[in-house]
Amino acid sequence: GEDVEQSLFLSVREGDSSVINCTYTDSSSTYLYWYKQEPGAGLQLLTYIFSNMDMKQDQRLTVLLNKKDKHLSLRIADTQTGDSAIYFCAERGTGANNLFFGTGTRLTVIP
Amino acid sequence: NAGVTQTPKFQVLKTGQSMTLQCAQDMNHNSMYWYRQDPGMGLRLIYYSASEGTTDKGEVPNGYNVSRLNKREFSLRLESAAPSQTSVYFCASSEARPDRDGYTFGSGTRLTVV
Repeated sequence: GEDVEQSLFLSVREGDSSVINCTYTDSSSTYLYWYKQEPGAGLQLLTYIFSNMDMKQDQRLTVLLNKKDKHLSLRIADTQTGDSAIYFCAERGTGANNLFFGTGTRLTVIP
Repeated sequence: NAGVTQTPKFQVLKTGQSMTLQCAQDMNHNSMYWYRQDPGMGLRLIYYSASEGTTDKGEVPNGYNVSRLNKREFSLRLESAAPSQTSVYFCASSEARPDRDGYTFGSGTRLTVV
């Protein structure tokens, strides 16, 4: 089945940029997503990218997709303490009805 | 605009007890899901329901049962709770084939089995 991998932890200083990486195995992925989970809360959709796009920017968030390497990244500019959370990537393959999630990356922002 | 509502938010059970986790969505979504979240293991799919009247096993179905009561509600039952089922449980819903909106998640049920 699909395999989505992320590193478990990332620490950055407030004001720096954060880059969270994700690799996936399904070459037919159509939609790829980034979710944010704040402490004690559910997952909230941050952004998505469609497979025919290489990049998507939304305010401080930039998503990069390298289909050849099956690599997805989320860049957060000017990282703030409120960005401390767990970030999950997820993908949906062509013809699939379910999403497959990575293990999540815990981002810690150091003041 | 409630989205996905889960009850209860917290629960402590003794080993062997049973309980049902409730989930309801008001977005007219066809598909609903139950996940468990454990440290370092991300989200693991327990069961899902692609449409009213259908349910299918996910990655970790053992020890659980589900009921898709109607289009809005999808419940998860633990018949005889075990300490290994201590976890945070999330319900989610989506269109039949998730598109740019992906899944909408509830806020979770934190279950401890002692």
